[in-house]
Amino acid sequence: KAGVTQTPRYLIKTRGQQVTLSCSPISGHRSVSWYQQTPGQGLQFLFEYFSETQRNKGNFPGRFSGRQFSNSRSEMNVSTLELGDSALYLCASSLAGEVGYEQYFGPGTRLTVT
Amino acid sequence: DQQVKQNSPSLSVQEGRISILNCDYTNSMFDYFLWYKKYPAEGPTFLISISSIKDKNEDGRFTVFLNKSAKHLSLHIVPSQPGDSAVYFCAAKSRGGGKLIFGQGTELSVKP
Repeated sequence: KAGVTQTPRYLIKTRGQQVTLSCSPISGHRSVSWYQQTPGQGLQFLFEYFSETQRNKGNFPGRFSGRQFSNSRSEMNVSTLELGDSALYLCASSLAGEVGYEQYFGPGTRLTVT
Repeated sequence: DQQVKQNSPSLSVQEGRISILNCDYTNSMFDYFLWYKKYPAEGPTFLISISSIKDKNEDGRFTVFLNKSAKHLSLHIVPSQPGDSAVYFCAAKSRGGGKLIFGQGTELSVKP
């Protein structure tokens, strides 16, 4: 089976712009979670989608949003980019997102905001 | 509030010896724990997990131990190999969805 894929792998944006990142989960996986990794804060949970519905949300401002499509592919959007949004954005998929189902991560999208 | 803590930012071990990575948690609602390995510029790779109803899970060279009363888990790698050099994250999960809480990571260096 193909793993989790994320596009693009690298992105450079300017402060104030918006960005959309894409994630394709492992075939058959219905849960997609997004995480932000920064040197100072480590890996932090953004949100989780299951069957096109947001099921969990982390402590991020409303500028961070996401959605999931009927084929389980997911996108996340960040509007009005700030310098502090520079990070590695990771997507993870699992069968159902419940206890006992491990999450498998994609390679990430490296976002740089200048 | 850091609910999952890895107090050792780094660990250096000789090839062939045991590596022990530790993790502490504070939230008693966590009932599933996972260990991930991460190389720079890559996503975390799942290693091994354990349910809170167990105290040990083994997979090849990797064993995870869970001490619920102490809210402590550890990952043992035996024998350690140079290819094991990476950052190791422990993560915890509660029922109700796919939210993982990660520790800050421990960088393991295995010397030949």
